[in-house]
Formats: sequence, C-alpha cells, structure tokens
Amino acid sequence: SAVISQKPSRDICQRGTSLTIQCQVDSQVTMMFWYRQQPGQSLTLIATANQGSEATYESGFVIDKFPISRPNLTFSTLTVSNMSPEDSSIYLCSVGDRVNTEAFFGQGTRLTVV
Amino acid sequence: GESVGLHLPTLSVQEGDNSIINCAYSNSASDYFIWYKQESGKGPQFIIDIRSNMDKRQGQRVTVLLNKTVKHLSLQIAATQPGDSAVYFCAERTAGNKLTFGGGTRVLVKP
Repeated sequence: SAVISQKPSRDICQRGTSLTIQCQVDSQVTMMFWYRQQPGQSLTLIATANQGSEATYESGFVIDKFPISRPNLTFSTLTVSNMSPEDSSIYLCSVGDRVNTEAFFGQGTRLTVV
Repeated sequence: GESVGLHLPTLSVQEGDNSIINCAYSNSASDYFIWYKQESGKGPQFIIDIRSNMDKRQGQRVTVLLNKTVKHLSLQIAATQPGDSAVYFCAERTAGNKLTFGGGTRVLVKP
C-alpha cells in the first residue's frame, strides 16, 4: 500500500489569505485526487490532479479557488485561495492506480479559517 | 476535537455483537465498491472492497454484501470490538477511477 504524507496536518488561517497543502507519496502513482470533508460530513471530490496537465475539477469547484499542481508522479499541491470561514474543512489527498484499484488516503489537513 | 461523524447516523452496538452497516449507492454503472473506516483525526482507512461481478466478499471479521438489483451495499463486522468505533463510509467507483462517497455511519461500541 502507498504511504501518503500531507503537510500541514492542521492550520488556522486568516480570511482572505491562501494556504497550500502538499501531498507526497512514497511511490509513483497514476492518479492523485483531492477531497474536501466539511465538518460532520462525508467526502466530496474536488479534482483529479493530472501529471503534466491541468487538473480536472468536479462540479462546484474551480481552478481559481483551488489551484492544483502535479509536477511528477509522487507529489501534488492543493491551494485554497482567498479563504473564508466556509472553507474550514478537512482536505484529503488520495492516490489510486487502475491496476491495484484501492484508493489510499493521507491523514488530511484540518483547516480552520477565522 | 475532531468533528467527523457529529451529524451522521449512529449505530450503537454492544461489544461482542455483530454490526451491520448499510449503504445505498446511486450509479448502476459503478463497477467497484470500497468500505472505509475513519477514526477521529485520521484519514479514511481501507477495510474491504468488492467488484460488481461478485455479491459477497469476506475479510478478517468483515463481510461485504452487494445487491446490484437494489443498489445496496452492506458491511458486516463480526464480534465488534471497542477499536471498531469509528465512522464508516461506503464508496463507489465511477468513470475516471473517481470515488463517490456515501453519507457515512458512526459506529459506537458499548462495553
């Protein structure tokens, strides 16, 4: 199974600022995904991070608000831009491989916007 | 503290009893299903999976049942232990290898 490290594990940020979350995997993976988990809720897919091309965003999420980078097969970043209290959530990185099919998650980044 | 599971349905189970967690999925074209366990302060942890060409799969103390006719998935935990207390999510794989998660169920194991 893949080992996924997310940084930071938690942060408290001022509204109007931006936070970049890093996701590092210990092996090369085909697919990387970013999810949001609002307080007391299930997980919602934000986007698929594509290596070498622009991320693919789900309905309700846009690149200007959640820019994503994926420079190689083991690393991705998600930025939460111009934050408001409504962005307070857990943000999770997930990796998957079509061959193995299991999807593994990082421990998440707990963001509080004040 | 961790807020995961605060607003989710809760299943209270006596230690040693069996637990059954149910999940309805939405996409009849989904070909793969996963159950995850999420403990407080952690990311979801893979428990067991099942492909759409199967109706039952067993793991260690866990069994997943799939009923494609009514688009229903269940997770059975045998001899529930205090360490099983967590929030459980089902997920279905749709096009592009993306996972769509169900609403989640909080399991509380009573000693």
